[in-house]
Amino acid sequence: RKEVEQDPGPFNVPEGATVAFNCTYSNSASQSFFWYRQDCRKEPKLLMSVYSSGNEDGRFTAQLNRASQYISLLIRDSKLSDSATYLCVVKVAPPGGSYIPTFGRGTSLIVHP
Amino acid sequence: NAGVTQTPKFQVLKTGQSMTLQCAQDMNHEYMSWYRQDPGMGLRLIHYSVGAGITDQGEVPNGYNVSRSTTEDFPLRLLSAAPSQTSVYFCASSYLASRVSTEAFFGQGTRLTVV
Repeated sequence: RKEVEQDPGPFNVPEGATVAFNCTYSNSASQSFFWYRQDCRKEPKLLMSVYSSGNEDGRFTAQLNRASQYISLLIRDSKLSDSATYLCVVKVAPPGGSYIPTFGRGTSLIVHP
Repeated sequence: NAGVTQTPKFQVLKTGQSMTLQCAQDMNHEYMSWYRQDPGMGLRLIHYSVGAGITDQGEVPNGYNVSRSTTEDFPLRLLSAAPSQTSVYFCASSYLASRVSTEAFFGQGTRLTVV
């Protein structure tokens, strides 16, 4: 089982739609969680960290479910510019880990007019 | 802020040639890493380093060498290029411990073609 798993998609949604992605992780000692965004032929960039109580940044909401070992990203009122690949990242603290980030393989989102 | 500087941006090699991809960061990050990204495969970790003088293998290390003589630099060497190494390569760096942000910063990538 991969340490971090994501549905590769693509998720094809119309403008204005709400879309949600999940990411599951296998190591229960995982401590830090992030969502990154990668545009076509560009480098990944941090979209948002994921906090235990859940957090929101404009149209984006991230949630963590430790019991079921997954994180989620919800995008409301999708824009054409949201089209990208969304990468889930998990870090495990020492002694079981070393804070080295583990990347999921990404979920592709296509927002169409 | 320069962040993570990765060179070159594009490179074409002949099979059997060797080359070094350069990566430098100016944020005093302990952790540096190299990934390759192929269609449908996501980011795969090649090598990483948690500090000067310390390196370790990732998921796909064969055919690549690294060294970390300084905190700032983490070059990736292709020993004898093969067509299977055609890929996009990303260097990334971050702090290790959560004393500050542990956001990973990426270089702009190197598109390598081996013919």
